[in-house]
Amino acid sequence: DADVTQTPRNRITKTGKRIMLECSQTKGHDRMYWYRQDPGLGLRLIYYSFDVKDINKGEISDGYSVSRQAQAKFSLSLESAIPNQTALYFCATSDGGNGVEYFGPGTRLTVT
Amino acid sequence: AQKVTQAQTEISVVEKEDVTLDCVYETRDTTYYLFWYKQPPSGELVFLIRRNSFDEQNEISGRYSWNFQKSTSSFNFTITASQVVDSAVYFCALNNAGGTSYGKLTFGQGTILTVHP
Repeated sequence: DADVTQTPRNRITKTGKRIMLECSQTKGHDRMYWYRQDPGLGLRLIYYSFDVKDINKGEISDGYSVSRQAQAKFSLSLESAIPNQTALYFCATSDGGNGVEYFGPGTRLTVT
Repeated sequence: AQKVTQAQTEISVVEKEDVTLDCVYETRDTTYYLFWYKQPPSGELVFLIRRNSFDEQNEISGRYSWNFQKSTSSFNFTITASQVVDSAVYFCALNNAGGTSYGKLTFGQGTILTVHP
């Protein structure tokens, strides 16, 4: 089984809808991250969490919120989806500040 | 603030050619880590290498090699005798060991490598 899983893998939703992307990991890492990938822009950090009680905004947090339900689970919500949130979303985990980040398979989100 | 620049948006080569992917970074910290990730057409992100700022030794792993030069703030990646399976998007990334960017990766824009048979 994959160490970092994301659900759903693909989602099409309409403008204004609320949507949640979920991430689970079995690596036992404390640190978890949400990124979005857009063509030509690389990966940009949305939110990150260094432990269950720690939530921090990243570079592009507007329009997003997160919940760290447990060490192993970190969810990303779009309260009212808009078309420019159409992107590939990645969850990642890390075991330390200088550690490698391990990525989930990604969720392709389309907002129409 | 830290920044990673991959000036080559797309590179196209023919199989067996050598290819170098450029990465230039900016940081005020003296201690940091540099990474390369590969994103094949299937979409997942695969970790390739981590290098810390105190280790300027070049590294070779099979057909892959990395050249780290602090003097020019560069961490370039060379694929020798490229193969079609090397076709992917390659990302360079930076993680500072201190300051406000502690524990977070900053990615470059990525370089799309296409290897033709």
